[in-house]
Amino acid sequence: QQQVKQSPQSLIVQKGGISIINCAYENTAFDYFPWYQQFPGKGPALLIAIRPDVSEKKEGRFTISFNKSAKQFSLHIMDSQPGDSATYFCAAESPRSSYKLIFGSGTRLLVRP
Amino acid sequence: DGGITQSPKYLFRKEGQNVTLSCEQNLNHDAMYWYRQDPGQGLRLIYYSQIVNDFQKGDIAEGYSVSREKKESFPLTVTSAQKNPTAFYLCASNIYSGEQFFGPGTRLTVL
Repeated sequence: QQQVKQSPQSLIVQKGGISIINCAYENTAFDYFPWYQQFPGKGPALLIAIRPDVSEKKEGRFTISFNKSAKQFSLHIMDSQPGDSATYFCAAESPRSSYKLIFGSGTRLLVRP
Repeated sequence: DGGITQSPKYLFRKEGQNVTLSCEQNLNHDAMYWYRQDPGQGLRLIYYSQIVNDFQKGDIAEGYSVSREKKESFPLTVTSAQKNPTAFYLCASNIYSGEQFFGPGTRLTVL
């Protein structure tokens, strides 16, 4: 019940296309859902995050869509660029679990020029 | 500049040797975390600390030890009991919830 399932494992998109990464969870106590971006050999950095009181959050080309009833959330990258090529991790946090982040397994995105 | 520093960037360990990875933050964060990342995999929590002089085991604590004597510092020792320590180790911190800020990582290799 503590797991966050992420898909796909890898994704190849043409420049200018839309990249979509999905995550699903079971624990309804989760109340914070961030997405992290990680470049090779670097630490992850927060990209965008959402709380379950809203269904969508947009920051520039990055959008989180949140479906509370389905217990799913997704990251959409519009107008994908080669510089977006990285590994993306979804995560979830619950106050009942001492606010520990539970990470998905990651999606390796490659944006072709 | 505020942030998290980890040292060394690369570390090599011989069989049966204990090694200590450093993590320091100047963000005035209460909580600090250690994660292990294996190639092509997600982040697994080793230990976390929400306050000085207190820490909790994560999902894969066996073979590791930590201390939290100062708010700014959370060193991780990889002991000889950890049979497969080759991995990328990441330290993170936050106020107590929400965004975690990550350090640049330490890559540990067993010779």
